[in-house]
Amino acid sequence: DVKVTQSSRYLVKRTGEKVFLECVQDMDHENMFWYRQDPGLGLRLIYFSYDVKMKEKGDIPEGYSVSREKKERFSLILESASTNQTSMYLCASFGSSYEQYFGPGTRLTVT
Amino acid sequence: RKEVEQDPGPFNVPEGATVAFNCTYSNSASQSFFWYRQDCRKEPKLLMSVYSSGNEDGRFTAQLNRASQYISLLIRDSKLSDSATYLCVVNEGGGSQGNLIFGKGTKLSVKP
Repeated sequence: DVKVTQSSRYLVKRTGEKVFLECVQDMDHENMFWYRQDPGLGLRLIYFSYDVKMKEKGDIPEGYSVSREKKERFSLILESASTNQTSMYLCASFGSSYEQYFGPGTRLTVT
Repeated sequence: RKEVEQDPGPFNVPEGATVAFNCTYSNSASQSFFWYRQDCRKEPKLLMSVYSSGNEDGRFTAQLNRASQYISLLIRDSKLSDSATYLCVVNEGGGSQGNLIFGKGTKLSVKP
């Protein structure tokens, strides 16, 4: 069974803090993604990566950066958290069957 | 950015009912299509792919109409456990996974 894990289910951070969200997949997938999901806005793509050390901006990259040093790990970084980054963050990896496998999500609250 | 549109619902139906969701997409070059299911406070999971010829998986039937650019999902004999949000997903193709476009979802609530 494909497994995508995220480092935290719930996280509370203060405005201005640097935040790291970690995602690990165990299926040797090349493509990995970070989304945020907000009520009424659906899933929005922040960044994706199709190979180690490669990254591409999604629809809403502002305020975020990513790191892909190893194939199985894709990290999302909030350099200076703001309250409008309070959201559910979902990591996904992609296999050859065109199915995206999602992690359980991290609910981040920035106060 | 190309769009995928869904009726947000909620669709409130009794157990045993048949319910249908539609989804429209704007990019005629889209290549593959999916329905995902998302339970409350959980991650989305693939429900089924949608093929040009239509496909069925138990009580679920998916149809694709390329000419009209819409996808449908039919659920027969609804169960309480079908209550969830159903996401329409379109792959615009080109091999890059940045081309997966998610609809905002249709909420289904099945009542006893």
